[in-house]
Amino acid sequence: AQKVTQAQTEISVVEKEDVTLDCVYETRDTTYYLFWYKQPPSGELVFLIRRNSFDEQNEISGRYSWNFQKSTSSFNFTITASQVVDSAVYFCALSGLNNNDMRFGAGTRLTVKP
Amino acid sequence: DVKVTQSSRYLVKRTGEKVFLECVQDMDHENMFWYRQDPGLGLRLIYFSYDVKMKEKGDIPEGYSVSREKKERFSLILESASTNQTSMYLCASSTEDFKLGVPNTGELFFGEGSRLTVL
Repeated sequence: AQKVTQAQTEISVVEKEDVTLDCVYETRDTTYYLFWYKQPPSGELVFLIRRNSFDEQNEISGRYSWNFQKSTSSFNFTITASQVVDSAVYFCALSGLNNNDMRFGAGTRLTVKP
Repeated sequence: DVKVTQSSRYLVKRTGEKVFLECVQDMDHENMFWYRQDPGLGLRLIYFSYDVKMKEKGDIPEGYSVSREKKERFSLILESASTNQTSMYLCASSTEDFKLGVPNTGELFFGEGSRLTVL
């Protein structure tokens, strides 16, 4: 079965610090997808990124970057120069082919203080 | 605009009552999901469905059942509600990748959630 572990329950940083959110996954599938979602205080889940298991290239989008390492079954998320608006709960997720069987981690609550 | 609609935002039920949570999506998605979200536990998958009349158990199916008679509708049923089923319930949908000409990020589209309190 699919499993996602986010060992960091809560992280608190001061604005402009860099922060990395860890995600470790388990799956028997050879083809799978990894995701990150953001849940701000308003409650709705916001899709951030999807990577497929064949593409280990790291990705950068503005202040966000993702490091996918198949060898360690990790898909970590880094926010550079954090801002107060980055305060949210961040979820890592894993799905099989066809985007079904989607499992989420327990989430990491990030607080960015001014 | 893509839309997943959950029938009730807030429900209060008594122990032992039968509870129906309805979810409708208008995006012709194949996959539909029910999660419950509890503090510190994240989103836990109850059931998902990848086609009409098809259903698969997630991690916590006990005490729940589902129904998918039409592609756009996925219902979650609590046969006999208990206090430990007090939670936020989230419905979501997604599409498969391999549709010709349909760009797809694999994103799950979520409803607004149904907060159920069982007394």
